[in-house]
Amino acid sequence: NAGVTQTPKFQVLKTGQSMTLQCAQDMNHEYMSWYRQDPGMGLRLIHYSVGAGITDQGEVPNGYNVSRSTTEDFPLRLLSAAPSQTSVYFCASSYSTGPQETQYFGPGTRLLVL
Amino acid sequence: GDSVTQMEGPVTLSEEAFLTINCTYTATGYPSLFWYVQYPGEGLQLLLKATKADDKGSNKGFEATYRKETTSFHLEKGSVQVSDSAVYFCALSGDNFNKFYFGSGTKLNVKP
Repeated sequence: NAGVTQTPKFQVLKTGQSMTLQCAQDMNHEYMSWYRQDPGMGLRLIHYSVGAGITDQGEVPNGYNVSRSTTEDFPLRLLSAAPSQTSVYFCASSYSTGPQETQYFGPGTRLLVL
Repeated sequence: GDSVTQMEGPVTLSEEAFLTINCTYTATGYPSLFWYVQYPGEGLQLLLKATKADDKGSNKGFEATYRKETTSFHLEKGSVQVSDSAVYFCALSGDNFNKFYFGSGTKLNVKP
């Protein structure tokens, strides 16, 4: 198993550009989520999905869109990048939701918006 | 709303020293509590967890006890190694199991 994979590892964007951060998992996990990590603020939940076709907002969803057409993939879209979106983005997955579930994290995508 | 507060770092220790990283939480209901570790350049990995009051999670010499009376989940290790140098995150999963809340992270530096 490759686990949770993310591409690209690093990206530089100009303000107003759009891009898609890719996330895939090969563990047949139902639950997937996106976080951003900023210095001194830990990880904050952007969007999550409890299964194909089902998505919902997390703590900081503004400026980001998601969709879940397959169990394996959960891309994160930035429609018009802003400098405030400079961050490290992590995708995570778990078999299901529930207090005993362990989340598995990808290696992260470092995004710089100029 | 639910939240996690953990001690600020960095924490610098000598090898074989005792480690405590404090974590307190605010949550409605009965959350599950977690410690995740992030090594340089990598994603987060689960270190240990506890799903009910008085449970003790343990792994790789680390342990933490779920204290409902003090709303705490402090991470401890009796003798740290250089290889333990990383950032440690306390987290909770509340009544809405779809949402996890993370603390700000504590960087641990262990010197030989």
